[in-house]
Amino acid sequence: NAGVTQTPKFQVLKTGQSMTLQCAQDMNHEYMSWYRQDPGMGLRLIHYSVGAGITDQGEVPNGYNVSRSTTEDFPLRLLSAAPSQTSVYFCASSLDRGVNNEQFFGPGTRLTVL
Amino acid sequence: AQSVAQPEDQVNVAEGNPLTVKCTYSVSGNPYLFWYVQYPNRGLQFLLKYITGDNLVKGSYGFEAEFNKSQTSFHLKKPSALVSDSALYFCAVRIVKAAGNKLTFGGGTRVLVKP
Repeated sequence: NAGVTQTPKFQVLKTGQSMTLQCAQDMNHEYMSWYRQDPGMGLRLIHYSVGAGITDQGEVPNGYNVSRSTTEDFPLRLLSAAPSQTSVYFCASSLDRGVNNEQFFGPGTRLTVL
Repeated sequence: AQSVAQPEDQVNVAEGNPLTVKCTYSVSGNPYLFWYVQYPNRGLQFLLKYITGDNLVKGSYGFEAEFNKSQTSFHLKKPSALVSDSALYFCAVRIVKAAGNKLTFGGGTRVLVKP
């Protein structure tokens, strides 16, 4: 199993550009989520999905959209990039939304918005 | 609102010495606690979790953590640190009924183990 994969690894955008961060998992996990990691702030939840066709907002959803058309894929879209979105983005998955399930993380995408 | 605090930004320890990384939490229900480790330029890796039962939890790579309900703490420990344990460590808490049963992470503690 490849686990959780993310592309690209690095990306530089100009303010106002849009892009999609890709995330895929091959573990048949129902629960998937996107986090952003900023220094000293830990990881903050952007959006999450409890299954195909179901998504919901986390604590910092503004400026981001998600969709979940398949169990495997959970892309994150930046609609109009802003410098405040410069961050490292992690996708994660777990078996389901059960509270005792650990999450598996992808390697991350480092995004810089100029 | 639930929260997690890691009071130390960095912990320095000599190889072979005991390592402790502190974590305290604040939740209104029963806490489900996790520790993750992040090596440079990598994603987070699961170390261990406390769900219920024995307060001392053993995890990967020789790490363990002790759940203390009265002190609302879940400190990570390793009896003898290795240079390869140098990494960023995150404590996280999840409670039932939170939106999506989401994880709330602490700010992270950088561990530096010196030879």
